[in-house]
Amino acid sequence: AQSVTQLDSQVPVFEEAPVELRCNYSSSVSVYLFWYVQYPNQGLQLLLKYLSGSTLVESINGFEAEFNKSQTSFHLRKPSVHISDTAEYFCAVSKGGKLIFGQGTELSVKP
Amino acid sequence: EAGVVQSPRYKIIEKKQPVAFWCNPISGHNTLYWYLQNLGQGPELLIRYENEEAVDDSQLPKDRFSAERLKGVDSTLKIQPAELGDSAVYLCASSLPGAAGDTEAFFGQGTRLTVV
Repeated sequence: AQSVTQLDSQVPVFEEAPVELRCNYSSSVSVYLFWYVQYPNQGLQLLLKYLSGSTLVESINGFEAEFNKSQTSFHLRKPSVHISDTAEYFCAVSKGGKLIFGQGTELSVKP
Repeated sequence: EAGVVQSPRYKIIEKKQPVAFWCNPISGHNTLYWYLQNLGQGPELLIRYENEEAVDDSQLPKDRFSAERLKGVDSTLKIQPAELGDSAVYLCASSLPGAAGDTEAFFGQGTRLTVV
């Protein structure tokens, strides 16, 4: 069975500091990997995805994630966060048309 | 273009009462999902439709939950009777058909259910 583990439930950081949100998955087969973001009282929005090809994927707002097959990880990073990045971040894998989500990481950016 | 629309946004009911949630997916999206999100948890799939057909309902508690997607567009999720443990956010999402789920799912804002 596939599962997703997000190692940190809460990550507080100061504005302009770098951040890494960790995600590990378990799967014996190839997977598609996603990061979704959920702002307060909003639905989930796709941040970035890995389907194939380059292991480093980027979003339009400065986030990036690297697929590491040997470590079964898909960590999300941003070199300098903004107050507006405060949100819940979910890592997910897709197989057979279904998204399996991790428990989420609450990123709190403080001034 | 409008995104996935869900209603109501909030619902408070007493236990043992019935409740229904409605979802209108993005036009042209054949695939529709209902997810359950408990507080502090990631969403979990309840049911997935391809057009009118429920292709994955293995996680739907069929003793009290039911869903339908008549005409392959809008969908309704119903709980009868509701229990205290059903308090959660119910998310609807839609996507274009894709091989092995590699297409992006677009989510609605969710319905927050409180059972008292």
